[in-house]
Amino acid sequence: AAGVIQSPRHLIKEKRETATLKCYPIPRHDTVYWYQQGPGQDPQFLISFYEKMQSDKGSIPDRFSAQQFSDYHSELNMSSLELGDSALYFCASSFKGYNSPLHFGNGTRLTVT
Amino acid sequence: EDKVVQSPLSLVVHEGDTVTLNCSYEVTNFRSLLWYKQEKKAPTFLFMLTSSGIEKKSGRLSSILDKKELFSILNITATQTGDSAVYLCAVESGGSNYKLTFGKGTLLTVNP
Repeated sequence: AAGVIQSPRHLIKEKRETATLKCYPIPRHDTVYWYQQGPGQDPQFLISFYEKMQSDKGSIPDRFSAQQFSDYHSELNMSSLELGDSALYFCASSFKGYNSPLHFGNGTRLTVT
Repeated sequence: EDKVVQSPLSLVVHEGDTVTLNCSYEVTNFRSLLWYKQEKKAPTFLFMLTSSGIEKKSGRLSSILDKKELFSILNITATQTGDSAVYLCAVESGGSNYKLTFGKGTLLTVNP
């Protein structure tokens, strides 16, 4: 069965650079969530989209932005990267119309040097 | 603020043991409680619970929700080394804009 696809798998950037992470949800899923997980931490909710509109916002820094496109894929744009942004970034998708659980992608590991 | 608390934080057992992981929560507009298993990468979905008192089972794993006392347990019987992972409890809450709040997880280590 198709899963949530994230790219790239690994990304190394320097401080103050920008990064773009991509997420392709499971087909027919209309809701996308972004989570940030630091080492040994639980996933922290960043932002979510439903039907291409932002539906909820968590602890997402102002330096980050995200959007969901017409094909339902989503991109997380991160600017002025800081060392503390180094983490695993997960995307998850679900079908909001029903009581469906979130399914996670394998994540993008971002390292800021 | 929504809160999800898991216990214990860490657990070490021997193969064949039975373990019980706990998750308690305080959220506004509860929708569902989910259990995930996280090994090296993405959390993988185990169970979704929405109704009290109905046990969900999958092989050696089972889970039940108590919406009155606001907690859930995840049981694993006859543990195997492959069960070693972080088990995350998450609660889905909210109205039209809902979100998932995770607990800190329970690190389970199963020794041969």
